[in-house]
Amino acid sequence: DIQMTQSPSTLSASVGDRVTITCRASQSVVSWLAWYQQKPGKAPKLLMYKSSTLESGVPSRFSGSGSGTDFTLIISSLQPDDFATYFCQQYYFYPYTFGQGTKLEIK
Amino acid sequence: QVHLQESGPGLVKPSGTLSLTCAVSGDSISSRDWWSWVRQPPGRGLEWIGEIHHNGGTNYNPSLKSRVTISVDKSKDQFSLRLTSVTAEDTAVYFCARVGLLGGSLDYWGQGSLITVSS
Repeated sequence: DIQMTQSPSTLSASVGDRVTITCRASQSVVSWLAWYQQKPGKAPKLLMYKSSTLESGVPSRFSGSGSGTDFTLIISSLQPDDFATYFCQQYYFYPYTFGQGTKLEIK
Repeated sequence: QVHLQESGPGLVKPSGTLSLTCAVSGDSISSRDWWSWVRQPPGRGLEWIGEIHHNGGTNYNPSLKSRVTISVDKSKDQFSLRLTSVTAEDTAVYFCARVGLLGGSLDYWGQGSLITVSS
């Protein structure tokens, strides 16, 4: 299975900060990578697919980049609604696999 | 807007069979090729279980393949998950989801159904 490793596991930040979450795949997944946001007790919400394509309705402060094994999710200016857990997912190889998650906390 | 809703028993006994159904509304299940199941043990990460094409083709996670069956009923716009020989390790929130147009990413999710395996 492709291992997806996110860093950091926990991130403390303030409203207005620019934050970066990284995701590394154990082998190349080309650009077949998605990012999700999950809040407690809720289903994940798709933010980004094919590494850098913003899902419809997602604010433009979210951006994604990367290809091969290294990927990045950036939130340009944190808003109160953004404090949540973020997961990456590769969908190039079966079985599809997720990162362990990055919990974004209020500093 | 498409809506997905899981339904299931909530509690399953060890060695029993877990059965969940995902009802799709707001659009036909035939409007999108693939539909998926994902689970999340309490306080932990996400695990992809498998997916089904609206014409019945399936892909499963090898870690569960011997125990899992995903089926589809197009007449009812629903698809189902069956997991046999369950243990406490199968306790999780089970989500159904729609696979995006480019494949793989999951663009609509159900709210999730907590299944507890306990005697």
